[in-house]
Amino acid sequence: QSALTQPRSVSGSPGQSVTISCAGTSSDVGGYNYVSWYQQHPGKAPKLIIYDVTKRPSGVPDRFSGSKSGNTASLTISGLQAEDDADYYCSSYAGTNTPFGTGTKVTVL
Amino acid sequence: QVQLQESGPGLVKPSETLSLTCTVSGYSISSGYYWVWIRQTPGEGLEWIATISHRGDSYYNPSLKSRVTISVDTPENQFFLQLRSVTAADTALYYCARYVFGDGSCYFDLWGQGTLVTVSS
Repeated sequence: QSALTQPRSVSGSPGQSVTISCAGTSSDVGGYNYVSWYQQHPGKAPKLIIYDVTKRPSGVPDRFSGSKSGNTASLTISGLQAEDDADYYCSSYAGTNTPFGTGTKVTVL
Repeated sequence: QVQLQESGPGLVKPSETLSLTCTVSGYSISSGYYWVWIRQTPGEGLEWIATISHRGDSYYNPSLKSRVTISVDTPENQFFLQLRSVTAADTALYYCARYVFGDGSCYFDLWGQGTLVTVSS
């Protein structure tokens, strides 16, 4: 089972919006509404920020939003803030496996 | 609040068995949820290793299945990972996490801080 494909890096200035893609197949992203997104700061464990494609856990700012079209899911950060500078990973249920994305470094310029 | 804490040797010799423990506090494993091991390497990113339910049902990453065992001790509120015949490629930061699966949801909602395991002679 291959990892889901994410861009290596994206960047934006404070206040701008950035979107991270997560490309999979019909066996994972496209087959289930079970895509989740995780934020990871250096030296810290990943933190859940989006689950079930579009849902936000309590306490996660509403500038984080998720969507899906076909075999590709997306995470959008609107109104970028300095604390959003981190690594982001997607994950999807895939039956016998639970692959993660390759990870995207978001840089706030 | 619910916390997970990994523990185990930080150094394992090649061909030996890596054994890790995850201790859960603030929630009784026997009450529900699924519990998982995930590892992270600079080159390969995050990789799901195995999942176990509070009832002991287990699921494994097909690429690691032949070398991995996940188990649970509900009275001690711990679950465990054994990875046999390790090589340098198994050097990673190992996380335990809680897995929400069911009722239309699927995600890892709580993570331990991670423990670094190096495979080297």
